[in-house]
Order: sequence, then C-alpha cells, then structure tokens
Amino acid sequence: DAKTTQPPSMDCAEGRAANLPCNHSTISGNEYVYWYRQIHSQGPQYIIHGLKNNETNEMASLIITEDRKSSTLILPHATLRDTAVYYCIVESGSRLTFGEGTQLTVNP
Amino acid sequence: EAGVAQSPRYKIIEKRQSVAFWCNPISGHATLYWYQQILGQGPKLLIQFQNNGVVDDSQLPKDRFSAERLKGVDSTLKIQPAKLEDSAVYLCASSLAPTIGGGQYFGPGTRLLVL
Repeated sequence: DAKTTQPPSMDCAEGRAANLPCNHSTISGNEYVYWYRQIHSQGPQYIIHGLKNNETNEMASLIITEDRKSSTLILPHATLRDTAVYYCIVESGSRLTFGEGTQLTVNP
Repeated sequence: EAGVAQSPRYKIIEKRQSVAFWCNPISGHATLYWYQQILGQGPKLLIQFQNNGVVDDSQLPKDRFSAERLKGVDSTLKIQPAKLEDSAVYLCASSLAPTIGGGQYFGPGTRLLVL
C-alpha cells in the first residue's frame, strides 16, 4: 500500500476554506484515495474518496492531481465542529491503513 | 439508522487480567472490523470479518488476542492476559460489504487502561 505524507497540523479561520494536502507519490493505478476524519473521543468518520477524477459531496471536495501523486481535501466553509484529525489513506482493497493524519484546528 | 454500538465505553484492568469488548454493527452490514488505536496514532486494523468468517487477521497478536463473530452479527474481542502496552482505544467498524475502503462506519470505541 502506498505511503501518504500529511502535515501534522494546520489552522483555519472559521468560515474560510480549509485545504488539506496529501502526498502519495508511490500510488499505483488501482489505488483509491480516501479521506476520513476523527473528532476528539469519537471513531473515525468517512468523508470522501476518489480514483482519478475530482469528487464533491455534501461534506467536502477532493482534488486529485493529474499524475495522482497528490491530492487536496477542501472543506469550503470550515466551522468549529470541523476541528479534527484528518486522515488521507491510499488503498486498493478494503483494508484502511491510517497514518498519523493532520490535526486541523478551526479558530473563531 | 442506528450506528455501531460498543460496550463498555471504558475499562480499567490490571496487567495479566482478561478483558472482553462487545460490538453490534449497523443492521445488515456483513463486514465487521476491529481496530486498535494507541494514543497519538491512527487506528490499526486487528481483524476483519465477512459475515462470521475471518478475512484478515494478519495484525492480530494471536497469542493474547482473540475475536469471534458467531452468528455474523455481534462480535467480541478478547485480550487474555492483558499487557501494559494494550492500553488503547478499541474501535469497531462495519460496512455493507468488503468494498473498496469507503463506507466504513465506526463506533465510539472502548478505552482500555491496563495498570
């Protein structure tokens, strides 16, 4: 499974867009990019996933570069409740291998 | 729809004691996962069930950990005997099928402290 690299922490102002980067330079053709988040003292929560194309749902947008070596999760209007650890995961099967993620802190 | 239920939420035991955790997945979810999350780290998969069969237990420390899902619904994870390094949050997750990664729903976890 491809290794991902994420910044350990990021800050964002409430109401602004939060852009969380992820590098996965060794990703292979059949591996998907997934994003989960974990709010303090809760279990992880699925956000979004994609293979090649950009994806959008009610929670976020996922932008994957054309060479697929990196991606960005975008929370368009961050709220205080979006403060969490965000995990970028690259997988080809059903196993999820979590790294240490990015601690996103949304400030008022 | 009800989420993944886990109990107990907290447990404190002494080393060398035994402990068991229970998980009730979302109704209709055939795939069930147990993860271990040590403080400051991401969750690590311990075991994956498809109905009542084991799909992946490659990271389960089988000398002390065991898990079962007898009727393809509820599951229990047991540690016997516990060690200090087993202190962690044990997360249960379920999904409709062992589909490609998305769609795993996690419970709130059981926080274990081994003294």
